[in-house]
Amino acid sequence: GDSVTQMEGPVTLSEEAFLTINCTYTATGYPSLFWYVQYPGEGLQLLLKATKADDKGSNKGFEATYRKETTSFHLEKGSVQVSDSAVYFCALNSGGSNYKLTFGKGTLLTVNP
Amino acid sequence: DAMVIQNPRYQVTQFGKPVTLSCSQTLNHNVMYWYQQKSSQAPKLLFHYYDKDFNNEADTPDNFQSRRPNTSFCFLDIRSPGLGDAAMYLCATSRGGEPRTDTQYFGPGTRLTVL
Repeated sequence: GDSVTQMEGPVTLSEEAFLTINCTYTATGYPSLFWYVQYPGEGLQLLLKATKADDKGSNKGFEATYRKETTSFHLEKGSVQVSDSAVYFCALNSGGSNYKLTFGKGTLLTVNP
Repeated sequence: DAMVIQNPRYQVTQFGKPVTLSCSQTLNHNVMYWYQQKSSQAPKLLFHYYDKDFNNEADTPDNFQSRRPNTSFCFLDIRSPGLGDAAMYLCATSRGGEPRTDTQYFGPGTRLTVL
């Protein structure tokens, strides 16, 4: 079946530090890949997505590249801000007739001033 | 702005007392989802509707039901809430195109407390 593995958190960084959150997956088909962000007490917001190999999703300074050869979709940002403190979820959808998203367990990021 | 709206944002109920959570959307999306998210965990899909077609996840307890009276609204009914049902409940919608690339958009969630 489908599964997503994210790096264990929590991750604590200083403002302006470089961020990487690792995400690897196994999928039965050819999945689309997503990163969602959840701020404290709120729902999930789509951060970025990629639907085919070598696609790069980007938004708000965050980037992730769909690497089929390594089955990875690592999230990066060059310079984090305090406002980036949140939980980040990697997810996939293998499609077929199934609309189900498979999520990783989430990574809590805390950015200190 | 087009959006997914959930009411109420916070709901307190008593053990065993039925409760209904509401979701509405202005995106005119075909698919609506309900997720349960417990503390520090990933969201867990309970069920979804494609238009009026209901799709239940195999491990969703019978205690959880849903209704979708029209395109815009979807309700989550918990018939007899237990302490273990305390969680954040997230509604999401998607256009309903090719499943693989269909993007889900989430509401802010309803936090349910069971006393």
